Amino acid sequence: QVQLVESGGGVVQPGRSLRLSCAASGFNFTIYGMYWVRQAPGKGLEWLAGILFDGTYKYYRDSMKGRFTISRDNSKNTLYLQINSLGVEDTAVYYCAKRLDSDYAMDAWGQGTTVTVSS
Amino acid sequence: EIVLTQSPGTLSLSPGERGTLSCRASQSLSSTFLAWYQQKPGQAPRLLIYAASRRATGIPDRFSGSGSGTDFTLTISRVEPEDFAVYYCQQYGSSLPITFGQGTRLEIK
Repeated sequence: QVQLVESGGGVVQPGRSLRLSCAASGFNFTIYGMYWVRQAPGKGLEWLAGILFDGTYKYYRDSMKGRFTISRDNSKNTLYLQINSLGVEDTAVYYCAKRLDSDYAMDAWGQGTTVTVSS
Repeated sequence: EIVLTQSPGTLSLSPGERGTLSCRASQSLSSTFLAWYQQKPGQAPRLLIYAASRRATGIPDRFSGSGSGTDFTLTISRVEPEDFAVYYCQQYGSSLPITFGQGTRLEIK
């Protein structure tokens, strides 16, 4: 079955950087687009970035451009999100999600990794 | 940016009742790239409906989606105890960024 497992979260000081990972299994990772979505404590869902199946096209929420970088390594079945200059507003659960094959919806999600930005 | 407004904010129903959740877009969605997700406390969201009316794999047929343009609806024909959760609509094709509504909480009456 499809499994997505995020890692790399933790407590980090403001201004530092972090790289989140999402290990995929149970499907052919190399042919699916992927996304990152986050959820601040007690808040709703916020889409951050997406990447094409082969990594040739990446797209971001405007406010994230420059600080966030999405990438993937198809040889390792892994998706990444690099976040620079972390601020307290970046405190959230970060989810990776798989794109549905016939559509742009997100048909599988990881359990999330928690990032807490605090001094 | 397309803003999605969900109503009501909270819906109180008893098991067995019919639930109707609304999602209104700030501009017309040029294609039916509208999805609905369910999220329970401490869990990741789960895809229920995509392309406005298509049920995702494994989703019970008591869940249905409808609508076009700016107005979309998720209907739960008979609410089951396991359906109490937060529901989000999402648009993902008309234009970037992909956006979510603020959510509707379905609670037990």
